[in-house]
Amino acid sequence: QQKVQQSPESLSVPEGGMASLNCTSSDRNFQYFWWYRQHSGEGPKALMSIFSDGDKKEGRFTAHLNKASLHVSLHIRDSQPSDSALYFCAASFITGNTGKLIFGLGTTLQVQP
Amino acid sequence: NAGVIQTPRHKVTGKGQEATLWCEPISGHSAVFWYRQTIVQGLEFLTYFRNQAPIDDSGMPKERFSAQMPNQSHSTLKIQSTQPQDSAVYLCASSLDLQQNTLYFGAGTRLSVL
Repeated sequence: QQKVQQSPESLSVPEGGMASLNCTSSDRNFQYFWWYRQHSGEGPKALMSIFSDGDKKEGRFTAHLNKASLHVSLHIRDSQPSDSALYFCAASFITGNTGKLIFGLGTTLQVQP
Repeated sequence: NAGVIQTPRHKVTGKGQEATLWCEPISGHSAVFWYRQTIVQGLEFLTYFRNQAPIDDSGMPKERFSAQMPNQSHSTLKIQSTQPQDSAVYLCASSLDLQQNTLYFGAGTRLSVL
C-alpha cells in the first residue's frame, strides 16, 4: 500500500477555475511535505513545501497542512493551460533517515482552454 | 546553473545487456538521489548519497543494480543483465543538504529493454 496517497487520480478544470488536489499519509512519521509538478518529458519540479500546520500561499498556489490528520492539499486558483501536468505529493520523515522523499502516484491535471 | 544533467536521455538495450546511466548533480549540492518512474509504480526511491557516501539503498533491487558516486560531480547507476521489467525512466536528483531541503530533478533517462 502506498504510504502517500493522492486523490483524485485525474482532474479537469476550465481555464481560470480552481483546482484542488489532495494527499494523505498513512505514516505518522512523515512530517515534511512537498508538492512537485511534472510536465511531459521533464523531471519533476518542486512547487512548494509546507512543514507547519495551516496554509502557505505562493502566488496562485496555496498549500494546506493538517498534521493531526496527515492531510495536505494544494489549491490552484486562476488555473492556466500551462498548469496542465502531473502533480505529486511527497513526504519525508521527521527523524532518522530524512533525506529521501516518498512520492504519491500523482494527480493528472488538465486545464481546458 | 544548468541544473541536474542526466545522460543519455534515451537508452535501448537488449535483454541481458548492461546499462550505465550518468548523473551530474548541481554544483555545491551534497546529496544525490536516484528514483525510478513507471506508470504503475510511480516514483520509486532507489538510493541516495550524501557527500559521496552511500546512505540508503533500501529501494535498490539487490542483485543487478548498483550505484556509485566516485566524486562530487557525478554519480552512476548500473544495471547488469537488464530485463524488460527494468524499462522505466530513471531520475537523478540533488539537494543542498538533507532535512527539509528540496530535491532538484534531472530530465531523466528513459531505459527501454527489448
